[in-house]
Amino acid sequence: DIQMTQSPSSLSASVGDRVTITCRASQGISDYLAWYQQKPGKVPKLLIYAASTLQSGVPSRFRGSGSGTVFTLTISSLQPEDVATYYCQRYNRAPFTFGPGTKVDI
Amino acid sequence: EVQLLESGGGLVQPGGSLRLSCAVSGFTFSSYAMTWVRQAPGKGLEWVATISGNGGRTYNADSVTGRFIISRDNSKNTLNLQMNSLRAEDTAVYYCSKGGYGDYRIDFWGQGTLVIVSS
Repeated sequence: DIQMTQSPSSLSASVGDRVTITCRASQGISDYLAWYQQKPGKVPKLLIYAASTLQSGVPSRFRGSGSGTVFTLTISSLQPEDVATYYCQRYNRAPFTFGPGTKVDI
Repeated sequence: EVQLLESGGGLVQPGGSLRLSCAVSGFTFSSYAMTWVRQAPGKGLEWVATISGNGGRTYNADSVTGRFIISRDNSKNTLNLQMNSLRAEDTAVYYCSKGGYGDYRIDFWGQGTLVIVSS
């Protein structure tokens, strides 16, 4: 099965910083990659799909890029409300594996 | 407005069974794949099972294959997860979730239902 990894596992940054999270697939998945945000105690929320398409209603400071095996989620200017754990997920074919998550703190 | 309302969670002994249901509204249920995702306490998200819109295709994680069965009733707008031979490691919040149009991304999540497997 294709494995999904994320780096870093956690990070701490300041308000206004640019933050980048990397997701790697052990085999190519084209652009079938989604990013989710889960705030503490809350339900996950879709941020980005097809590697780079912003879900409706998501702030434009979130940007996704990549294709094949390496993907990145970038927050251009970190805001206090962005404190959350971020997960990537492949959805090209089953198993629709999630990455282990990246916890973002301020 | 999309709504996904899970039910059926609770405390069950190891080896026991439980059936989760998810009542959906706000979209054409039969047009979308549906997925169960779980999250053990303090842990990350784990994909459990997915079913296609017409129910003809199902996919399960290796960790639940042979024990869990995903199904749907498009006439009742309901998604189900039959969980058998439950183990302590199945303890988690189980989320019902909706697929994207034409693919298996998850674009909406329910609030989740807690399953505790313990004696």
